[in-house]
Amino acid sequence: DGGITQSPKYLFRKEGQNVTLSCEQNLNHDAMYWYRQDPGQGLRLIYYSQIVNDFQKGDIAEGYSVSREKKESFPLTVTSAQKNPTAFYLCASSIEKGPNTGELFFGEGSRLTVL
Amino acid sequence: GQSLEQPSEVTAVEGAIVQINCTYQTSGFYGLSWYQQHDGGAPTFLSYNALDGLEETGRFSSFLSRSDSYGYLLLQELQMKDSASYFCAVSYNFNKFYFGSGTKLNVKP
Repeated sequence: DGGITQSPKYLFRKEGQNVTLSCEQNLNHDAMYWYRQDPGQGLRLIYYSQIVNDFQKGDIAEGYSVSREKKESFPLTVTSAQKNPTAFYLCASSIEKGPNTGELFFGEGSRLTVL
Repeated sequence: GQSLEQPSEVTAVEGAIVQINCTYQTSGFYGLSWYQQHDGGAPTFLSYNALDGLEETGRFSSFLSRSDSYGYLLLQELQMKDSASYFCAVSYNFNKFYFGSGTKLNVKP
């Protein structure tokens, strides 16, 4: 079945460590996104990519990095520079070309806890 | 910049109708989307309005008034499983979305 797979589902990190969250999609979507969600809050855009080998900063990119070497993959690295990384991280994808359907397809999320 | 306002929490009884409002301010506007998220889960897409008017999908309907920068999600025949958070999201650039803080819907028997 087509969809978005995020791993790991739960991740614990010590302060000062970098961690990488995986996001893979087989929907053949051009656009991919990373959002961060804090308890009781909405989703805030970290990075997005509209095409392979290109990505743009979102509203809260500081302390994060991404790569888009393949259409199917958009990994997110949470670096030690991110001061408050404990959060729920959601990867999403959408159709880039054609009519805007307003729909994002989300993975199941990765919950990162810094100890 | 973008801003969205929606109520933080709404409570309704099973079988009732509930309306969740969303007002927005945005530079650039393509449309308004609605998502449902159960605790600990991923958001799932419910509906999208690019033009003024009402869109109906089963028990859920969504409305948009571009002139008023306002939309709402209408849920009919509420069921216990509808207890979740509901987010409105503005598409302010092609396939770029800004999300509201969400409305927690509590459905009581």
